[in-house]
Amino acid sequence: DIQMAQSPSSLSASIGDRVTITCRASQDINNYLVWFQQKPGKAPKSLIYGASTLQSGVPSKFSGSGSGTDFALTISSLQPEDFATYYCQQYKSYPLTFGGGTKVEIK
Amino acid sequence: QVQLVESGGGVVQPGRSLRLSCAASGFTFRSYGVHWVRQAPGKGLEWVAVIWHDGSKKYYIDSVKGRFAISRDNSKSTLYLQMNSLRAEDTAVYYCARDQPDDSSAYFLGFWGQGTLVTVSS
Repeated sequence: DIQMAQSPSSLSASIGDRVTITCRASQDINNYLVWFQQKPGKAPKSLIYGASTLQSGVPSKFSGSGSGTDFALTISSLQPEDFATYYCQQYKSYPLTFGGGTKVEIK
Repeated sequence: QVQLVESGGGVVQPGRSLRLSCAASGFTFRSYGVHWVRQAPGKGLEWVAVIWHDGSKKYYIDSVKGRFAISRDNSKSTLYLQMNSLRAEDTAVYYCARDQPDDSSAYFLGFWGQGTLVTVSS
């Protein structure tokens, strides 16, 4: 199984900050990586797929980068609606596996 | 628009069974693979199972193999998860999710339902 290591597990940031979350796969997954945002009590929502392609309707303040084993999600200017938990997930092979999540909180 | 609505959750005793359903609308159900993903209270996401668009292939996470069965009825646009021999560690919100093709025609979890809570407790 492919293991996904996400860091940090939590972070505190201020409105307007630039935030970066990283995700490392235990083996090469090409660019078969998706980033999700989840707010409390809600279903996850896909933000970025193919490591760097913005999902339809997602604002351009979100961006993704990386290929192979190392990936990153960046939020360019944090806004109140961005405080949530973010997950990476590989879809290179089954079983599909998720990172442990990064909770982004208000400083 | 794509809609996925789960039902069938509830409180069940250890060792008993439960069947979840996911009613799909807003797209051609028979054309897409669909998944179950779960999230234990306060924990992260865990993929559970997938079924191909035509039902020809199914994959499961090891911890549910032999206990859970994924199926679909394309005539009813509905996905199912039959859960047998339930354990306390199966307690979670269960989401159904639909495949979405990426730019290379691989598939990721593009659309999710709102989930249904399963609690396994005596």
